[in-house]
Amino acid sequence: GAVVSQHPSRVICKSGTSVKIECRSLDFQATTMFWYRQFPKQSLMLMATSNEGSKATYEQGVEKDKFLINHASLTLSTLTVTSAHPEDSSFYICSARVYGLLDTQYFGPGTRLTVL
Amino acid sequence: GDSVTQMEGPVTLSEEAFLTINCTYTATGYPSLFWYVQYPGEGLQLLLKATKADDKGSNKGFEATYRKETTSFHLEKGSVQVSDSAVYFCALMDSSYKLIFGSGTRLLVRP
Repeated sequence: GAVVSQHPSRVICKSGTSVKIECRSLDFQATTMFWYRQFPKQSLMLMATSNEGSKATYEQGVEKDKFLINHASLTLSTLTVTSAHPEDSSFYICSARVYGLLDTQYFGPGTRLTVL
Repeated sequence: GDSVTQMEGPVTLSEEAFLTINCTYTATGYPSLFWYVQYPGEGLQLLLKATKADDKGSNKGFEATYRKETTSFHLEKGSVQVSDSAVYFCALMDSSYKLIFGSGTRLLVRP
């Protein structure tokens, strides 16, 4: 149980295009989902927290107009990287939390984004 | 702000060797502490956790003790296996229930 999937696992796009990454909780309802970014050989950095049906809360320094997050249902959150540039190339990881279990997050396998 | 520091890798060991991966933290208050493991091609999995000082988390032969006096949460295993090869992340949960991660330590166990 408690499986989180991400799609796609890898994506390559041209500079200036937009890319959407999906995060799904497969066997549970996730009231809260988190989006992280991981640079090579560095830790995961929290980008934003999204609660189902409400606007995402972005961490300081994260451009909300560039990284659009939608959490329209209890099993799906999406991250759209708008007008992507090479510096947006990174590994993006989502996690999901069940209502009431504040200290438990289930992680997806990540999405490798390469912007040419 | 809160932060986590863990030893750089990679750590290369022979099978059945003793493992220690150091982790120290800086935080206000007494956060919950976690070790996550990431196997190749998979998402992070919770390995163990401790929620208060002197608690010992354990799972699959791994152990870590919450040391308030040294602000540490070192991961140990008495005898590693090839299947333990992975990246290990130390993390704390801050007062807003957000996870703050260390940079990760890659472990490679050779037969």
